[in-house]
Amino acid sequence: KAGVTQTPRYLIKTRGQQVTLSCSPISGHRSVSWYQQTPGQGLQFLFEYFSETQRNKGNFPGRFSGRQFSNSRSEMNVSTLELGDSALYLCASSPSRPSGEYNEQFFGPGTRLTVL
Amino acid sequence: AQSVTQLDSQVPVFEEAPVELRCNYSSSVSVYLFWYVQYPNQGLQLLLKYLSGSTLVKGINGFEAEFNKSQTSFHLRKPSVHISDTAEYFCAVRRGDSSYKLIFGSGTRLLVRP
Repeated sequence: KAGVTQTPRYLIKTRGQQVTLSCSPISGHRSVSWYQQTPGQGLQFLFEYFSETQRNKGNFPGRFSGRQFSNSRSEMNVSTLELGDSALYLCASSPSRPSGEYNEQFFGPGTRLTVL
Repeated sequence: AQSVTQLDSQVPVFEEAPVELRCNYSSSVSVYLFWYVQYPNQGLQLLLKYLSGSTLVKGINGFEAEFNKSQTSFHLRKPSVHISDTAEYFCAVRRGDSSYKLIFGSGTRLLVRP
């Protein structure tokens, strides 16, 4: 099976712009989570989606939003970019609901966003 | 709320020496525990996980970890490291079965020297 894919891998934007990042989960996986990784704050949870519904949301401003499509692909959007949004954005997919044997998340390579 | 502490930001070690990366967690409820590894310019790869049962968990690449409930620790060990083990290691906790949300520690950079 192909792994989690994220596009684009690298992105450069300027302050005030908006950006959309895409994540394609492993085939058959229905849960997608997003994380932000920065040198200062480390790895922080952004959102979690299951069957097109947001199940959980991290402590980020409303400029950060996401969605999941019927084919389980997910996008996250950041509006009005700030310098502090420069980070590696990681997507992770999981087979089903987080119970029993379905306890593992598979991470993609990430999208490196640089805000100038 | 849950939290994870990785006390060592960097651990230098010589090749073929043993290593232990420390992880302590705090939670008022039962949690699942994970160790992930991140190589440069890559995502996270699961090394091992503790869900229940035996407190000694074996993972990939010769790593193992021991869950200690009384000390709220989940230290990662490897008896003999290789140069290729140089990477960033993250300990993480997840609360129960209601969400996949992971709370990560700040990471420990393992630097293996020849």
